[in-house]
Amino acid sequence: RKEVEQDPGPFNVPEGATVAFNCTYSNSASQSFFWYRQDCRKEPKLLMSVYSSGNEDGRFTAQLNRASQYISLLIRDSKLSDSATYLCVSSSNTGKLIFGQGTTLQVKP
Amino acid sequence: DGGITQSPKYLFRKEGQNVTLSCEQNLNHDAMYWYRQDPGQGLRLIYYSQIVNDFQKGDIAEGYSVSREKKESFPLTVTSAQKNPTAFYLCASVTGSYEQYFGPGTRLTVT
Repeated sequence: RKEVEQDPGPFNVPEGATVAFNCTYSNSASQSFFWYRQDCRKEPKLLMSVYSSGNEDGRFTAQLNRASQYISLLIRDSKLSDSATYLCVSSSNTGKLIFGQGTTLQVKP
Repeated sequence: DGGITQSPKYLFRKEGQNVTLSCEQNLNHDAMYWYRQDPGQGLRLIYYSQIVNDFQKGDIAEGYSVSREKKESFPLTVTSAQKNPTAFYLCASVTGSYEQYFGPGTRLTVT
C-alpha cells in the first residue's frame, strides 16, 4: 500500500463547478500536510498547508480528518486556469516528505 | 532575489557516465530534498538533508549519491548504477514547517 494515495482522475468539470479531491495517508504519525499544484512540465508550487481546523484561501478549502487519515481539497467556482495536477504531501515525524501520485483536473469552458 | 536554482535545465548523457545535478538555494533553509518524477507519475523521494553534513536515503536512493557540505548547496550525482536514470529531477528547499519550494528541475536523458 502506498503511503499517500490519490485518485489520479482525470476530473473533467465545466467552468464554475465545485470539485473535491481526497488524499489518504497510511502513516498515523504523519504530522504536516500540504496541497501542491503542478502545471505540465513545471515544478510543483505550494497551494496551501492543511491545518487540523481546516483552512480556506479564496476559492480553495483544505481539510484534515485524522480519524480517517485523509485530507481533502475543495475548489469552488472552477476557472479554466485551475486546470493542473494537484499533489498532496504528508510529512512524518522524521521529516520525510511523501507525495501522492497527483490528481489531474481539467476545467472545460 | 531569494530562491532555489537548478542547473542545467536539460542534460544529455551517455549510458555508463556519472552525472551531477546542481541545486542551490539562498532562502536560508536548513533542509533540502531531491525527488525524481517520471511521466504521468508523482514525485519519489531520492535523498533528503535536514542539516549540513547530514542526509538520509529516501525511497529510491539506489544508484544515487549526494553531499551536503554547505547549507546553500545539495548536489545529486546520478551514477552508472542507476538502471533507469532518464527522468525529471526536482530539488526542494524546505522550511522548518515543511513547506517545500522547488527549483525549476533538470530533465536528464541518458542514451
